[in-house]
Amino acid sequence: GESVGLHLPTLSVQEGDNSIINCAYSNSASDYFIWYKQESGKGPQFIIDIRSNMDKRQGQRVTVLLNKTVKHLSLQIAATQPGDSAVYFCAEPDTGRRALTFGSGTRLQVQP
Amino acid sequence: KAGVTQTPRYLIKTRGQQVTLSCSPISGHRSVSWYQQTPGQGLQFLFEYFSETQRNKGNFPGRFSGRQFSNSRSEMNVSTLELGDSALYLCASSLALPRDTGELFFGEGSRLTVL
Repeated sequence: GESVGLHLPTLSVQEGDNSIINCAYSNSASDYFIWYKQESGKGPQFIIDIRSNMDKRQGQRVTVLLNKTVKHLSLQIAATQPGDSAVYFCAEPDTGRRALTFGSGTRLQVQP
Repeated sequence: KAGVTQTPRYLIKTRGQQVTLSCSPISGHRSVSWYQQTPGQGLQFLFEYFSETQRNKGNFPGRFSGRQFSNSRSEMNVSTLELGDSALYLCASSLALPRDTGELFFGEGSRLTVL
């Protein structure tokens, strides 16, 4: 089955800096990825998604990059703000494509 | 537009008891999924319902069950509670399956503590 994992458990950045959160996957047939943000005490919130026919997708202050060659994707947050402090998960549909498989998450801490 | 509402937000049970958690999806969303979140296992899929039918089930024992009503509201039940069932139970609603969109709308969860 799919394996969606993360490189670092915690990332600490200064306010205003750019943040990069990484995610590796193991199934070369994976073709759709999603990023979620979970703030303390809340449920995960959809940020952005990307399909394998794209290498890059941009949202508001966020960019997701997909490198299918090395099975790696990243979430870049520009001008990180205190409100960006949260746990970030990458996810993909499971084999049956009826549920999401989530990575273990990266905690982003924004220092003032 | 109201979001996904889960009740209760917090509850404490003892081993052997059972618990029922409730979820009201976003209006118009017919797919409701449940996930368990623990520090050790992360987010794990429990089951998904659509039009009162369970379409998919994760790898959890039969003590975990659920149902969906005609108004799309859903409940999940855990019987014979074990200490390891302590977790945040998250409900999510969506318009379509993950193969079409990975945008799930999550509630704030029900935090269950089993003593």
